[in-house]
Amino acid sequence: DVKVTQSSRYLVKRTGEKVFLECVQDMDHENMFWYRQDPGLGLRLIYFSYDVKMKEKGDIPEGYSVSREKKERFSLILESASTNQTSMYLCASNRSPSSRYGYTFGSGTRLTVV
Amino acid sequence: SQQGEEDPQALSIQEGENATMNCSYKTSINNLQWYRQNSGRGLVHLILIRSNEREKHSGRLRVTLDTSKKSSSLLITASRAADTASYFCATDASSSASKIIFGSGTRLSIRP
Repeated sequence: DVKVTQSSRYLVKRTGEKVFLECVQDMDHENMFWYRQDPGLGLRLIYFSYDVKMKEKGDIPEGYSVSREKKERFSLILESASTNQTSMYLCASNRSPSSRYGYTFGSGTRLTVV
Repeated sequence: SQQGEEDPQALSIQEGENATMNCSYKTSINNLQWYRQNSGRGLVHLILIRSNEREKHSGRLRVTLDTSKKSSSLLITASRAADTASYFCATDASSSASKIIFGSGTRLSIRP
């Protein structure tokens, strides 16, 4: 069964901490994405990557960075966590934008910054 | 920026009834997708319809696309309790097909 795995389901971090959210896919997909989901705002794209070492900003990249050193792994980094980054974070991957299979999502990481 | 907007925001129907959700978007697209999200989980891809298609079926799901009105609808027939979830439409932009933008979703509740 193809899969996108996010390393943590729940995470609690303190303000100012550096936070790493890890995402691994086993489908050999080129494209990987990080979204955050907040009530009433839907999913908002933070960063995405087309290939190893490639990254592009999404709609809300401020306060975040990403790393893609291997094709299967896409990490989201909160350099200095703040309370307004409390959210559900969703990782996704796909082979191509027009793939009829769409995106495959991980189960999400609910991050609370205190 | 949100490309797709779902309507209604919430829908509650009796089990066995049909559920219809609508999505409107702003700019030209290559394709439109529908996803389901169970509470607290990731999204699951349901169906993709391309801009040159008008209707698509998958099991109890029927999706229509009207590019002249920039709108799509998702119909779930003979609803079941397990259909309770949030449903999202997602669109790319024909000028930038590499990423998709999600709407804020419709929360569907099926009453037993």
